[in-house]
Amino acid sequence: ETGVTQTPRHLVMGMTNKKSLKCEQHLGHNAMYWYKQSAKKPLELMFVYSLEERVENNSVPSRFSPECPNSSHLFLHLHTLQPEDSALYLCASSQDWLVGDEQFFGPGTRLTVL
Amino acid sequence: AQSVTQLDSQVPVFEEAPVELRCNYSSSVSVYLFWYVQYPNQGLQLLLKYLSGSTLVKGINGFEAEFNKSQTSFHLRKPSVHISDTAEYFCAVTTPPNTGTASKLTFGTGTRLQVTL
Repeated sequence: ETGVTQTPRHLVMGMTNKKSLKCEQHLGHNAMYWYKQSAKKPLELMFVYSLEERVENNSVPSRFSPECPNSSHLFLHLHTLQPEDSALYLCASSQDWLVGDEQFFGPGTRLTVL
Repeated sequence: AQSVTQLDSQVPVFEEAPVELRCNYSSSVSVYLFWYVQYPNQGLQLLLKYLSGSTLVKGINGFEAEFNKSQTSFHLRKPSVHISDTAEYFCAVTTPPNTGTASKLTFGTGTRLQVTL
């Protein structure tokens, strides 16, 4: 595997379910990101992790809970979501979150909340 | 704070015609600029970036962009498009390190390039 991978690619869940999205980067980067992409809206940065420490949390509801057990893996735990949370969730990584260089993106998880 | 404006939400163009996708940014400090492409059901892929140096930047798939500081623009161009260029294109801006601000990548709303025969 190369680059940034995400699983699952598609997820349908009810409002009472609990599920997790997984991201893995094979680039040796120190920073990882979660973004939400909704139709007709700019990409919304949700969380940033640097060396497994959360360094940014952009007012994301508590029903989204990130976890970064090591610098290669990032999870997004989901519980009691709302239909408006349906979106494409993108994971990205970069060498260093303070440098401002390019981010490498995974293919995304298409989430549908019923 | 920085921001990015992509005024065109959709750009239809015929195959082999030239295209320009517009991007304007706002920032009180110096910037790094990026263009990403997103094909259907895929993540974002970097097309090109401007960090410093020559203002004309060449990227993958025959795309290029020109950084214009006075007009705060970073328009993307291709002299002859192909059907396979049909995708969503995102302009993004961030700040270099040591400018006194966090280097958060800010994206525009995207431009849908639709290439037809």
